[in-house]
Amino acid sequence: DGGITQSPKYLFRKEGQNVTLSCEQNLNHDAMYWYRQDPGQGLRLIYYSQIVNDFQKGDIAEGYSVSREKKESFPLTVTSAQKNPTAFYLCASSRGVGIQETQYFGPGTRLLVL
Amino acid sequence: AQSVAQPEDQVNVAEGNPLTVKCTYSVSGNPYLFWYVQYPNRGLQFLLKYITGDNLVKGSYGFEAEFNKSQTSFHLKKPSALVSDSALYFCAVRPILTGGGNKLTFGTGTQLKVEL
Repeated sequence: DGGITQSPKYLFRKEGQNVTLSCEQNLNHDAMYWYRQDPGQGLRLIYYSQIVNDFQKGDIAEGYSVSREKKESFPLTVTSAQKNPTAFYLCASSRGVGIQETQYFGPGTRLLVL
Repeated sequence: AQSVAQPEDQVNVAEGNPLTVKCTYSVSGNPYLFWYVQYPNRGLQFLLKYITGDNLVKGSYGFEAEFNKSQTSFHLKKPSALVSDSALYFCAVRPILTGGGNKLTFGTGTQLKVEL
């Protein structure tokens, strides 16, 4: 987990509310990623960013939005359009965009719906 | 599209015995393969990866994995299991020849339980 921080550890969302999950890295990595983890389903890619001010949708981007204004930061917003947001959210980063690069993960944020 | 199968939801092994966590993959062309471990309510920790070269890859905490191209497998192994190895293990694959950035496809995970 070293070098990548996620906050908060637990987050509660009310119906119709947007919430933002924070991800910060001090590894000087160019690429950052957001995954969603549900029991028995492994990890699924939500969004990824290969460089500042650029990002692409992953496999399950609907109901989520991101920004990449700074190299070290990649916040994820879970919008009210995401009807089943309860999950464990993991942020990752990699040194470059080369496909051999290893992704390193943060400690995660658990999102619960009230 | 690429996919990863981890056929066992749970593997039980006695401490001191060898352990194997299975992974098979499907990709177009050659793969890059990764193993990660996750402890409860924590992020994933990188264990090892296969990029090219020697089919036997050694990683952290005494783990190793063998790439078998003919069987499209990348099983994780350790000669002597420890109780502290108990965790959730994920295999992931990335095809070499594709665009779209460094996108990994993960398996559904295998829970390893090591008992005294």
